Amino acid sequence: DAGVTQSPTHLIKTRGQHVTLRCSPISGHKSVSWYQQVLGQGPQFIFQYYEKEERGRGNFPDRFSARQFPNYSSELNVNALLLGDSALYLCASSSLAGGFEQFFGPGTRLTVL
Amino acid sequence: AQSVTQLDSQVPVFEEAPVELRCNYSSSVSVYLFWYVQYPNQGLQLLLKYLSGSTLVKGINGFEAEFNKSQTSFHLRKPSVHISDTAEYFCAVNPYAGGTSYGKLTFGQGTILTVHP
Repeated sequence: DAGVTQSPTHLIKTRGQHVTLRCSPISGHKSVSWYQQVLGQGPQFIFQYYEKEERGRGNFPDRFSARQFPNYSSELNVNALLLGDSALYLCASSSLAGGFEQFFGPGTRLTVL
Repeated sequence: AQSVTQLDSQVPVFEEAPVELRCNYSSSVSVYLFWYVQYPNQGLQLLLKYLSGSTLVKGINGFEAEFNKSQTSFHLRKPSVHISDTAEYFCAVNPYAGGTSYGKLTFGQGTILTVHP
């Protein structure tokens, strides 16, 4: 079975631009979570979606938004990019809303110039 | 709110030596505990998890961890490391109440394990 997939792998944007990151969960998983991992730090929780509803939100500004589609894939959108948004963005899927075990994708490396 | 502290940012060790990576946490609610490994330019892979039951849990690649509720610790151990264990290791907690997890992992800052020949 395919694991969690994310696209694109790498992305370079300039300040002020907008970016959309995509995630496909493991087949059968209905929960998707997004994390931001800045270089040298642990991942930080951004959002969790379950059955297309937002179930949790981390301490991130409103420039960050996400949604989940009927096929349980998800998009993370970031508006008005700042240099500090440069990070590895990780998507994780789980089979329960609670996410006892989250399976991570390879991540999207975003560089903001 | 939860917080996770990994007490060592870097741990150098020689091949075939034992290793312990330390993790302490704080939380106002009960939590599930996890250790993940991250190889360069890759995502996170689950090593092991503690949900309930025996406080000593075994994971993949010969790793094990012990949950100590009184000390709020979840240290990771391996009796004999290999070169291939060189990676960054993250301790994480997931709060739950009434058996339902909130699905929000809080991670520590990571410990870089470097195994030397």
